[in-house]
Amino acid sequence: EAGVAQSPRYKIIEKRQSVAFWCNPISGHATLYWYQQILGQGPKLLIQFQNNGVVDDSQLPKDRFSAERLKGVDSTLKIQPAKLEDSAVYLCASSGRGGSSYNEQFFGPGTRLTVL
Amino acid sequence: GENVEQHPSTLSVQEGDSAVIKCTYSDSASNYFPWYKQELGKRPQLIIDIRSNVGEKKDQRIAVTLNKTAKHFSLHITETQPEDSAVYFCAASKTGGSYIPTFGRGTSLIVHP
Repeated sequence: EAGVAQSPRYKIIEKRQSVAFWCNPISGHATLYWYQQILGQGPKLLIQFQNNGVVDDSQLPKDRFSAERLKGVDSTLKIQPAKLEDSAVYLCASSGRGGSSYNEQFFGPGTRLTVL
Repeated sequence: GENVEQHPSTLSVQEGDSAVIKCTYSDSASNYFPWYKQELGKRPQLIIDIRSNVGEKKDQRIAVTLNKTAKHFSLHITETQPEDSAVYFCAASKTGGSYIPTFGRGTSLIVHP
């Protein structure tokens, strides 16, 4: 089966600019996650969707970050305006059964964001 | 919320030796513990997981142990090979409801040939 797709793979912007990332989960996966992985650290959950609803966004900096999954499939994550500390890899993951446990998460290749 | 501590941050071994990575967690309600391997520049991939109703699980050269009383779990890799070199992440989560894992900071394993 096709894996989780993300684009772009790399993005370099200047601080205060805006950027958007796109994720296409594995077909049929109801749950979608966005993680921020800063160099040398583990992934930190930003937001979790089940279908097109938000399950958890407690760690999403809502003053500058936003995410949507309007049709319950693809998702976009936006940063506006970007700060230097937003430099990280943004990972998208999906899992098969929405809202339940023991789901194996399948990660996308990530988008490496550099903010100058 | 959950807090996961992972040690060591870096582990260097000779090919053929064993490697052990340890994690502790804070939320006694956590009962699912996956381990991920992330090779340089690649995505994290699940390599093994354990649930709270078992104390140990093995898959070829990889094993995980869980001590719920002490709230710690470990990854054991035997007969290490250079291709085992990667960053390994542990995670902890609760079942029943949303599956939201909390990850450790990672261990960089280097296997010298």
